Amino acid sequence: RKEVEQDPGPFNVPEGATVAFNCTYSNSASQSFFWYRQDCRKEPKLLMSVYSSGNEDGRFTAQLNRASQYISLLIRDSKLSDSATYLCVVNDGTASKLTFGTGTRLQVTL
Amino acid sequence: DTGVSQDPRHKITKRGQNVTFRCDPISEHNRLYWYRQTLGQGPEFLTYFQNEAQLEKSRLLSDRFSAERPKGSFSTLEIQRTEQGDSAMYLCASSFGLGRPPRNTEAFFGQGTRLTVV
Repeated sequence: RKEVEQDPGPFNVPEGATVAFNCTYSNSASQSFFWYRQDCRKEPKLLMSVYSSGNEDGRFTAQLNRASQYISLLIRDSKLSDSATYLCVVNDGTASKLTFGTGTRLQVTL
Repeated sequence: DTGVSQDPRHKITKRGQNVTFRCDPISEHNRLYWYRQTLGQGPEFLTYFQNEAQLEKSRLLSDRFSAERPKGSFSTLEIQRTEQGDSAMYLCASSFGLGRPPRNTEAFFGQGTRLTVV
């Protein structure tokens, strides 16, 4: 079983749609959780950290379910500029290395 | 520019040659990470440093790979006797490494060095 699993997609959605990505992780000792965004042939960029209580940043909402070892990202009112690969990232229990999922590709269309 | 910088951005080398990449992290950051990414995959962890100490190395990091961070600032990643399978994007990232999660592990990436072995 992979340490971090994501549906690779692609998710093709029209502008204005709401889209949700899910991610599961295997290390129950993980302490920190993140969503990164990666554009084609660019470096990953931190989109948001995921807090236990859930958190929102504009159109983006992240949720964490520690019991199910599950993380989600919700994007509301999708924009063309949201088209990218979204990487689910989890640290190991010792708060050192970050482990990345393979990413979920999102394509927002007119 | 106060972000993470990597040099060179692109490297083409012949099989069997040695290559060295450099990473300059964000100056306040204690932790420095090296990752490798191939097409269609997420970044794969290679190694990380807390200041000058190399604390963890992935099994992906064969004997041909070596990384250093001599003064706890910039880092180098060397690949000896390159093979075609080494072709990838090599990403460097840094984070504070101190304080409470998740802030201590929020990592910021450089633009990467794209290696092509021919």
